[in-house]
Amino acid sequence: GAVVSQHPSRVICKSGTSVKIECRSLDFQATTMFWYRQFPKQSLMLMATSNEGSKATYEQGVEKDKFLINHASLTLSTLTVTSAHPEDSSFYICSAYHGGERATYEQYFGPGTRLTVT
Amino acid sequence: AQSVAQPEDQVNVAEGNPLTVKCTYSVSGNPYLFWYVQYPNRGLQFLLKYITGDNLVKGSYGFEAEFNKSQTSFHLKKPSALVSDSALYFCAVRDFSGNTGKLIFGQGTTLQVKP
Repeated sequence: GAVVSQHPSRVICKSGTSVKIECRSLDFQATTMFWYRQFPKQSLMLMATSNEGSKATYEQGVEKDKFLINHASLTLSTLTVTSAHPEDSSFYICSAYHGGERATYEQYFGPGTRLTVT
Repeated sequence: AQSVAQPEDQVNVAEGNPLTVKCTYSVSGNPYLFWYVQYPNRGLQFLLKYITGDNLVKGSYGFEAEFNKSQTSFHLKKPSALVSDSALYFCAVRDFSGNTGKLIFGQGTTLQVKP
């Protein structure tokens, strides 16, 4: 199956600093990437959807100035948490999707990034 | 709006027994349905999907799911549970509105398989 990587897997940062999380599709080109946030023992909350070369579409209630998403290529998307605060501590998961004529419709998920803001 | 519901927060089953994790959906149009599994501190792994065709879909690790249009259900099943199947399971439906094709997830069901 398709492989999606995330880096870093775990990060601890101080309040007020910014953190960048990378999501890469390793063996396919992702026309769309999704960023989710997950709280303990809860479902995934979609934060935003990004298509390569265009601005991300944010879900209602997600601050676009705080969670900066860049989808510079068909294999890389980044999420930057700016001016992080303890309430931003969470598990962030990306997923990648390949659309087009050969779309199989499933999303492939990265292993997640555990962010802890102190 | 598209939605899925997983009515059980947790399912407990003894090893070797059959297991069922329930999912019902509400969509406009034909549903594209998925099951994913999540192990602790990991991302989601794809198990199986229903797009079209046979109502019984076979997936990874011996799992299968039955699409039932009249009952709007897509329950996940396995004939004989393993302790290693213990994990968090998510049902999802693809939402094609808004041109993003995003997945709408259920709230998740924790499967606990006891030896």
